[in-house]
Amino acid sequence: DQQVKQNSPSLSVQEGRISILNCDYTNSMFDYFLWYKKYPAEGPTFLISISSIKDKNEDGRFTVFLNKSAKHLSLHIVPSQPGDSAVYFCAARDYTGNQFYFGTGTSLTVIP
Amino acid sequence: DGGITQSPKYLFRKEGQNVTLSCEQNLNHDAMYWYRQDPGQGLRLIYYSQIVNDFQKGDIAEGYSVSREKKESFPLTVTSAQKNPTAFYLCASSRGSGGHEQFFGPGTRLTVL
Repeated sequence: DQQVKQNSPSLSVQEGRISILNCDYTNSMFDYFLWYKKYPAEGPTFLISISSIKDKNEDGRFTVFLNKSAKHLSLHIVPSQPGDSAVYFCAARDYTGNQFYFGTGTSLTVIP
Repeated sequence: DGGITQSPKYLFRKEGQNVTLSCEQNLNHDAMYWYRQDPGQGLRLIYYSQIVNDFQKGDIAEGYSVSREKKESFPLTVTSAQKNPTAFYLCASSRGSGGHEQFFGPGTRLTVL
């Protein structure tokens, strides 16, 4: 059973606009949530994370929002740039710190 | 330069043969992980190790084996018992209980003919 879900397999956004990538989870025992960026045939690269005790974390153009009551998080990229085009994975860490659970990814295309 | 290396980048094997994928890290991380990625799917955990000489099965461990004899190394063997071994394999490491971020290697694409 998929504990972390990304229901949008793809997203296209115009350069300069906001990209919003969404993620839902089912396990309330996750203590950290992470976003990774991945290019084809390469390993994922860590982008930004948020602790379960916070509701927002910002790093430059990237902001992650966490809504614990809805078991939902989102990644906002503002402004979007063509170099942001990649697959973005949402991940969650269980409270033991031993395992990470990944969503299926959202392919973002930023159109120049 | 600290990081995780996986070799080779591409690997071809005949059906019925065991094959070992290499993963080395010089980040001094305690924890190491193996994931498998198939088209249209997320990363699925095969095995993980929190400390040397100890490892645990992940969600899809059947047909795979690992060892953790050194902190820096976590090789994965894909055995002939793995029914569908063709996939992209990713190795990752993290500080363990003290860190929540995982660092990934570049991956190995295994094709079984």
